[in-house]
Amino acid sequence: DGGITQSPKYLFRKEGQNVTLSCEQNLNHDAMYWYRQDPGQGLRLIYYSQIVNDFQKGDIAEGYSVSREKKESFPLTVTSAQKNPTAFYLCASSIKSAGKANEQFFGPGTRLTVL
Amino acid sequence: GNSVTQMEGPVTLSEEAFLTINCTYTATGYPSLFWYVQYPGEGLQLLLKATKADDKGSNKGFEATYRKETTSFHLEKGSVQVSDSAVYFCALSDNDYKLSFGAGTTVTVRA
Repeated sequence: DGGITQSPKYLFRKEGQNVTLSCEQNLNHDAMYWYRQDPGQGLRLIYYSQIVNDFQKGDIAEGYSVSREKKESFPLTVTSAQKNPTAFYLCASSIKSAGKANEQFFGPGTRLTVL
Repeated sequence: GNSVTQMEGPVTLSEEAFLTINCTYTATGYPSLFWYVQYPGEGLQLLLKATKADDKGSNKGFEATYRKETTSFHLEKGSVQVSDSAVYFCALSDNDYKLSFGAGTTVTVRA
């Protein structure tokens, strides 16, 4: 089945450690996205990538880094510089059609807790 | 910039009640509008969408109409079920592929 997988589902990290969240899609989508979700808030965009080897900062990129070496993969690293990393992280992807806004497909999410 | 404002929750209803969740937006140009649903512990799923003024999106008994004159995209369902309990997000997207989300509305349906 086509879809987006995120791993792990739950992740615990000690303060001061970097951690990488995985996101893989087999939908052949060009664009991929990382969002952060906090209780009572909407989703906030961290980074997005429209094509391999290229990515742009979203609204809250500080303390995060990404790479896009393959079309199907878009890992997110939460660095020790992120001041409040405990949150639910969602990865998404979409096709890329010029001049058209397309729906995004979401993975099941990773819940990160900093101890 | 783009922004979405949706009705604050939580909303608690009895089965078979009528549900409305208000959503208004601010955008330059002509965005596409979406409603996403998030069930507990899961990612978001697209519920319905509309890409131009006066379009009506519908799915699973839910409906929303793109109203350009009032910059609104209110979600409605005539008779809710317990399985409709979830968080509902209104969102918009212009042509740069990014989605702007509202804060989400938690809906609980009691049997």
